[in-house]
Amino acid sequence: GENVEQHPSTLSVQEGDSAVIKCTYSDSASNYFPWYKQELGKGPQLIIDIRSNVGEKKDQRIAVTLNKTAKHFSLHITETQPEDSAVYFCAAWMDSSYKLIFGSGTRLLVRP
Amino acid sequence: GAVVSQHPSWVICKSGTSVKIECRSLDFQATTMFWYRQFPKQSLMLMATSNEGSKATYEQGVEKDKFLINHASLTLSTLTVTSAHPEDSSFYICSASPGANEKLFFGSGTQLSVL
Repeated sequence: GENVEQHPSTLSVQEGDSAVIKCTYSDSASNYFPWYKQELGKGPQLIIDIRSNVGEKKDQRIAVTLNKTAKHFSLHITETQPEDSAVYFCAAWMDSSYKLIFGSGTRLLVRP
Repeated sequence: GAVVSQHPSWVICKSGTSVKIECRSLDFQATTMFWYRQFPKQSLMLMATSNEGSKATYEQGVEKDKFLINHASLTLSTLTVTSAHPEDSSFYICSASPGANEKLFFGSGTQLSVL
């Protein structure tokens, strides 16, 4: 079935430290993996994405890695800042069913 | 990135009434839009896929007669919650993509509270 698992559910880090969030997907046909940041009362904001033909992508303090063999992908945030505090969702695009399936979310708290 | 506008941002209604939520793609055309529902502290759950000019495709467990979706143009999809009840209270979010294999952008969401 279509499933995306996300860990951890909560993550607390000191400002300046790195944060890593991991996801696993079930559908081997998935080919697009976006990450979204959601602040309270707002819609999800796309922060970075990666396609299946790429193993790693970086955008300033944010990076995403993909291991297609293991069906794992991860979000890495370096030099965390208090404004990075939010809920982060991974997702996987299911080309076979034409839908985006979300992970359960990670609540990130960056302590000043 | 592309802009998806959703309106209203919040609505309070009485039980038994209907509520319409609009989702617009402002700077691109979208043949497909998606409607999600999110309960507090939970993830986004896909409700239905809205296709321009044809019937929406609903996910298992979502009542199509209760959640009416209309996608009459390439820039507008609407979700109508009919005969709303307190258990329908939730955060509803739409999304759209400029095209196949393109990024999916989300609206700002609509908080529905049914009294």
